[in-house]
Amino acid sequence: TQLLEQSPQFLSIQEGENLTVYCNSSSVFSSLQWYRQEPGEGPVLLVTVVTGGEVKKLKRLTFQFGDARKDSSLHITAAQPGDTGLYLCAGFMIYNQGGKLIFGQGTELSVKP
Amino acid sequence: DVKVTQSSRYLVKRTGEKVFLECVQDMDHENMFWYRQDPGLGLRLIYFSYDVKMKEKGDIPEGYSVSREKKERFSLILESASTNQTSMYLCASSLGGPPYEQYFGPGTRLTVT
Repeated sequence: TQLLEQSPQFLSIQEGENLTVYCNSSSVFSSLQWYRQEPGEGPVLLVTVVTGGEVKKLKRLTFQFGDARKDSSLHITAAQPGDTGLYLCAGFMIYNQGGKLIFGQGTELSVKP
Repeated sequence: DVKVTQSSRYLVKRTGEKVFLECVQDMDHENMFWYRQDPGLGLRLIYFSYDVKMKEKGDIPEGYSVSREKKERFSLILESASTNQTSMYLCASSLGGPPYEQYFGPGTRLTVT
């Protein structure tokens, strides 16, 4: 059972275009993280959003956590070839007196010059 | 600079062999994790450890075991490798408390023939 659905799975765009990646669930998360993974490397944390409705900006990247804390989006403005990579969302759930991080299946982004 | 290192970037093993994947972190993190990553499936948690000598099963523990004798080191063991264990294996560490923001190693691409 996939608790976190990411869409689209693949995205190929031209440099300068805008794009949005979505991360949706029927479950409520305490927080949500976004990672970027480049070929041959491990994922790197971009941002954590914690509060429902929260918006965080990282240069040309805007991250939003849904009001009900069940979904999130990543918007990239004026995409550049350096944005190419696999984007992963991960929701944190309280579980067994600790916690558990649930990953989406990822969005493969290719930005062509 | 924080660092998670994995013993091998690429590994080729034969069916039935015992395989050891080593992971070391230098951040004094309490938690350590082993994931496997397959196309279209995202990251799936195999095992994690929240303290020395402690381990918890993740979502897909079958065919794997782990060892954590020192805080900085977490080993993944494939007792008898099979072809369906061909995958990218990622190790990560995090601080003890939520939201378990992960620091990943570069990954080990394991091929079982």
